[in-house]
Amino acid sequence: EDKVVQSPLSLVVHEGDTVTLNCSYEVTNFRSLLWYKQEKKAPTFLFMLTSSGIEKKSGRLSSILDKKELFSILNITATQTGDSAIYLCAVEAPIQGAQKLVFGQGTRLTINP
Amino acid sequence: ETGVTQTPRHLVMGMTNKKSLKCEQHLGHNAMYWYKQSAKKPLELMFVYNFKEQTENNSVPSRFSPECPNSSHLFLHLHTLQPEDSALYLCASSQDRLENIQYFGAGTRLSVL
Repeated sequence: EDKVVQSPLSLVVHEGDTVTLNCSYEVTNFRSLLWYKQEKKAPTFLFMLTSSGIEKKSGRLSSILDKKELFSILNITATQTGDSAIYLCAVEAPIQGAQKLVFGQGTRLTINP
Repeated sequence: ETGVTQTPRHLVMGMTNKKSLKCEQHLGHNAMYWYKQSAKKPLELMFVYNFKEQTENNSVPSRFSPECPNSSHLFLHLHTLQPEDSALYLCASSQDRLENIQYFGAGTRLSVL
């Protein structure tokens, strides 16, 4: 069965700290891994990763994929209170000629001022 | 604003009520999805529609009935729900069923009494 596991489930840090969120997966016919940020309700897309070792970067956020070890990390540097959210990792899995996203439980990140 | 609008944002219903959730996307996408997000559980895919045709029903109980009249609108009709159906229901869309980046609405918070 396809599975995505995120760790930690919850993390509380101070503003300015750097955090690393982890996502490991087991899925047949891997195609891509996606990261989303969920603040109030709507998850918003952050990154899509398809190749090992190539870092994706957007401002203070960056992510990398290791297809050999089946995991990805999301780094946030110089954290701000606005980074407080649930971060979701999802992996594409094929279903009947289509693709579906299998989500992890998410990491709830809290940034204290 | 993600381009995916869900109404209502909150809904309280009794177990004998019939209600409907609505989702509308303004992104020109052809695939639409319903997800259920319960506390401390990963997002669960419920239904997938591609060009108005249902391509996935993830073993969802028949008390949930989806409807997709066109590629821009998706409904979830609810009847005789159970208290354990209380959750956040998220709608998403993507270019088509092979496109892996999904854009989410803000969800409907459903409480079944």
